Amino acid sequence: QVQLVQSGAEVKKPGASVKVSCKASGYTFTSYYMHWVRQAPGQGLEWMGIINPSGGSTSYAQKFQGRVTMTRDTSTSAVYMELSSLRSEDTAMYYCARAAYFDYWGQGTLVTVSS
Amino acid sequence: QSALTQPASVSGSPGQSITISCTGTSSDVGDYNYVSWYQQLPGKAPKLMIYEVSNRPSGVSNRFSGSKSGSTASLTISGLQAEDEADYYCSSYTSSSTLVVFGGGTKLTVL
Repeated sequence: QVQLVQSGAEVKKPGASVKVSCKASGYTFTSYYMHWVRQAPGQGLEWMGIINPSGGSTSYAQKFQGRVTMTRDTSTSAVYMELSSLRSEDTAMYYCARAAYFDYWGQGTLVTVSS
Repeated sequence: QSALTQPASVSGSPGQSITISCTGTSSDVGDYNYVSWYQQLPGKAPKLMIYEVSNRPSGVSNRFSGSKSGSTASLTISGLQAEDEADYYCSSYTSSSTLVVFGGGTKLTVL
């Protein structure tokens, strides 16, 4: 069965970076792009970007350009999302979700940014 | 790229039908049939309910249906059940560099 398992919760100080992982299993990792989506407390879903696990190409939402980097490791079937220059507004649950239809989601990784 | 517009809340009684709208523009909903709907229960990850406007993934009840007219997509839930109480989000692919946009979400209350 398809599973996306994300890394654990993080607490970071403003200005720091965070790197969240998403390990895929149950399907051919390189056959499906992967999205990253975040959800601030009590708020809606926000698309951050997408990565092609096969070639590593990426596309980021304009809002996050210059601050987000998505990578992958085909040897471990994992994708990573790194967000830099963190501020309090980045406190949110971060999800990976399989493309094209967001048909499978990770369990979410809570990132808290606080001084 | 602005978020798609959804009503903040809708409600209905068990057994009734409700419809949630999702209004976009000619650059997203109006231009693509890649509209999806998700159900999110409290404290859980979203769950795909409808993709490509009107297709249901395996395992999703046929009480859930989707449609689109112009730049507005709709999710209809028939035969409301208490377990349908959740937040619902729509999404669409877009023609901008921000490839995907979500709606603001709709809280469904089953009275």
